[in-house]
Amino acid sequence: GENVEQHPSTLSVQEGDSAVIKCTYSDSASNYFPWYKQELGKRPQLIIDIRSNVGEKKDQRIAVTLNKTAKHFSLHITETQPEDSAVYFCAASRSAGANNLFFGTGTRLTVIP
Amino acid sequence: ETGVTQTPRHLVMGMTNKKSLKCEQHLGHNAMYWYKQSAKKPLELMFVYSLEERVENNSVPSRFSPECPNSSHLFLHLHTLQPEDSALYLCASSQSISGEAFFGQGTRLTVV
Repeated sequence: GENVEQHPSTLSVQEGDSAVIKCTYSDSASNYFPWYKQELGKRPQLIIDIRSNVGEKKDQRIAVTLNKTAKHFSLHITETQPEDSAVYFCAASRSAGANNLFFGTGTRLTVIP
Repeated sequence: ETGVTQTPRHLVMGMTNKKSLKCEQHLGHNAMYWYKQSAKKPLELMFVYSLEERVENNSVPSRFSPECPNSSHLFLHLHTLQPEDSALYLCASSQSISGEAFFGQGTRLTVV
């Protein structure tokens, strides 16, 4: 089955700096890669996703890049703000949906004001 | 918040107890899921229901028993749990099996 590894497990950045979280996956058939943000005591929420036919996707201050050859994908947050502090999870799936998601172990991001 | 609602938010139970977790979605979705979130482990998919039929059971012990009476409600019946079953149990729903997952806030379960 799929194995998703996520690094780092914790990340602290100064407000305004950039944050990068990286994930690798093992199943070359995976073609859907979502990122979820989970604030303390709240539900995981999808913040951005990318499909295998695209190498990069941006949405305001967040972007995701995908390297299918190397089987890794990354989340980039620019101009970080305190409200970006949360746990971020990457996931990989063979289908563009929720029934076959394999998650990483999460990255706790702390943005220091 | 509306969307996917889970009750209770917190639950403490003994190993001989029987309890149930409830999930309700108001999004008109056709698929519902149970996930387990343990500390320092990936989110683990436990069960998948599509149109009220179970389509996936990821080798979950029989002490966890799901029930989906209709497309809006999902239950997880618990009995004779072990302390290692303590975790956050998340419910999710999606328009279809291939759709984006919307999560509930979870039930924090502690088995004593």
